[in-house]
Amino acid sequence: AQKITQTQPGMFVQEKEAVTLDCTYDTSDPSYGLFWYKQPSSGEMIFLIYQGSYDQQNATEGRYSLNFQKARKSANLVISASQLGDSAMYFCAMREGYRRDDKIIFGKGTRLHILP
Amino acid sequence: DAGVTQSPTHLIKTRGQQVTLRCSPKSGHDTVSWYQQALGQGPQFIFQYYEEEERQRGNFPDRFSGHQFPNYSSELNVNALLLGDSALYLCASSLAGANIQYFGAGTRLSVL
Repeated sequence: AQKITQTQPGMFVQEKEAVTLDCTYDTSDPSYGLFWYKQPSSGEMIFLIYQGSYDQQNATEGRYSLNFQKARKSANLVISASQLGDSAMYFCAMREGYRRDDKIIFGKGTRLHILP
Repeated sequence: DAGVTQSPTHLIKTRGQQVTLRCSPKSGHDTVSWYQQALGQGPQFIFQYYEEEERQRGNFPDRFSGHQFPNYSSELNVNALLLGDSALYLCASSLAGANIQYFGAGTRLSVL
């Protein structure tokens, strides 16, 4: 079974609209961390946002927020007021276990296209 | 403050050859992880180095090996290259015990 599932291979969104990228995860470990990374065509993986499994509040970083629904094992990324520069691949990822620097498991990604 | 740097950016090899990829971690970081990203896929964990030792390993054959130097920089070696080894190889650095791994721009390896 896949640990991280991203069901949207591609999305087209009008500039300035809000975007929600879906992510569900599968783990039986009570301690885990969830990440979103952005990968432009240059290839570099850019860290966007992190949510720990014990965090009570949803994480936010500027225009990025993580809609964490623990019971549903869902960790959707919300980008407010999208910009042309947001066009890229977006990966949801998870770290299992208590050790915070453990390996990260990635989903297959969603390609986001922002239309002018 | 320099981020994670990788070299070379691109590499072309033929089947059976050996390759070495290099990574310099972000300043202050002591842990280096390597990932392989095939075209159209998410990155897959190869291994992680801390204190010059391999601390974790993913599901990759022994042809994949690595090294970490006292200055925390790292190398990834792949022997007996196969066509299927063609991929983007990403290096990530972190501080031991910290949540976030920071990635470099990767080395794109093509095996012909």
